[in-house]
This record gives sequence, structure tokens and C-alpha cells, in this order.
Amino acid sequence: DVKVTQSSRYLVKRTGEKVFLECVQDMDHENMFWYRQDPGLGLRLIYFSYDVKMKEKGDIPEGYSVSREKKERFSLILESASTNQTSMYLCASTNLDPYGYTFGSGTRLTVV
Amino acid sequence: DAKTTQPPSMDCAEGRAANLPCNHSTISGNEYVYWYRQIHSQGPQYIIHGLKNNETNEMASLIITEDRKSSTLILPHATLRDTAVYYCIVRVAYQGGSEKLVFGKGTKLTVNP
Repeated sequence: DVKVTQSSRYLVKRTGEKVFLECVQDMDHENMFWYRQDPGLGLRLIYFSYDVKMKEKGDIPEGYSVSREKKERFSLILESASTNQTSMYLCASTNLDPYGYTFGSGTRLTVV
Repeated sequence: DAKTTQPPSMDCAEGRAANLPCNHSTISGNEYVYWYRQIHSQGPQYIIHGLKNNETNEMASLIITEDRKSSTLILPHATLRDTAVYYCIVRVAYQGGSEKLVFGKGTKLTVNP
């Protein structure tokens, strides 16, 4: 089975800190995604990457950046964390196969 | 922009069929409809997908209308473990090989004993 592993399940950071959320997949998938999930809003796409060193903005990229130096790893970066970035962050990957995406278990980030 | 509309919540009795509707009136001819579900505190899990024809697998059935503007996910014998948020999603493909899943807000299905 494809595994998508997010480095932290829970994270608490202070306002203004630089935050790195790491995601690793073990099935050589080309495409990787970062979503955030908030009550009442569902999942919203932040950034995605369809190849190493390639990135595309999703629907809500403001305040975030990403890094894809290696195929298996896709990092989400909060340059200066703010309280409105408190959320559940979900990483996903796919090889555009018919069975869709595999999601990680999520990182619940709290910014205080 | 989400391309799907779902009721925010539904209830179902254990052992009965759960029928979850979804509207996707702006779907394009080559866009697939996917269904995922998310059990509390976990990442979304793939259930089923389809383009034009009805589909069935070990988890569920997917009925797509002939005009493709709506679909229904059917869980034939709902159990308490099927309580989750169910997302109907359009898979949007772009030239060059990139694509994305556009999530709506989903339907919270509660299966009652």
C-alpha cells in the first residue's frame, strides 16, 4: 500500500515562527498536494507539485510556500506563522492513476 | 472553486442503504467524479469513482445520471463504522499532466443504531 507520512501529528508554534510541515510518500508518485481543512470549509488546496522542483499555487496560497527538492518529499512552509493558520494540514500524493489520491493522517497545527 | 454541491448532513439507520446525493452541473466531459470519505481525525479515504457509467466495488455503488449533472453514492448496508464525512469531488485535469481534486464541504453521514 502507498504510504503518505506526515512528520508530526500535532504541532504548537508561536506567532511569527517559521514552520515546516514535512510530507513523504514511498511509491514514487509524481504529484503531491497540500490541503488545509477547517470546520465548515472542507478541504482547500494550498499548493501542489507535479514534478521535482515544480510547484503550482492552489486556491489559498497566501502565507505559504513549498519545497520539492526530492520526488518523495513535499514540504509546506509557513514563513511567519499567524493564528489564522491554525488548522489541520493534509498532504496527498498520486500518480494520476484511476484510484485517486492517497492522503496522510494530517498535522494539526496550532499557532498561539 | 468547488464544482460539487452536497447536503451538509444526513442520517441513516444501521443495516439500511445510505444514498448520498451530489450535484455537479458544471462538470466537463472528461472530468471524473470521485467519492472520498473522512472518518474523524484521519485523512480522506478513496471510495469509488466514475465517468459516465454506474460503478460498483466492495465498498459502494456510484450512480451517475445520463446528463452527468448529478450522482448518488450508495452504501448498501450501512454500519456504525460508516459514520463519516463523505466528499463528492471532481477531478480536474490540466494540460501538461498536472491536476487537482476540488473538494466541496461534504455530507456528514450519521449511521444510527
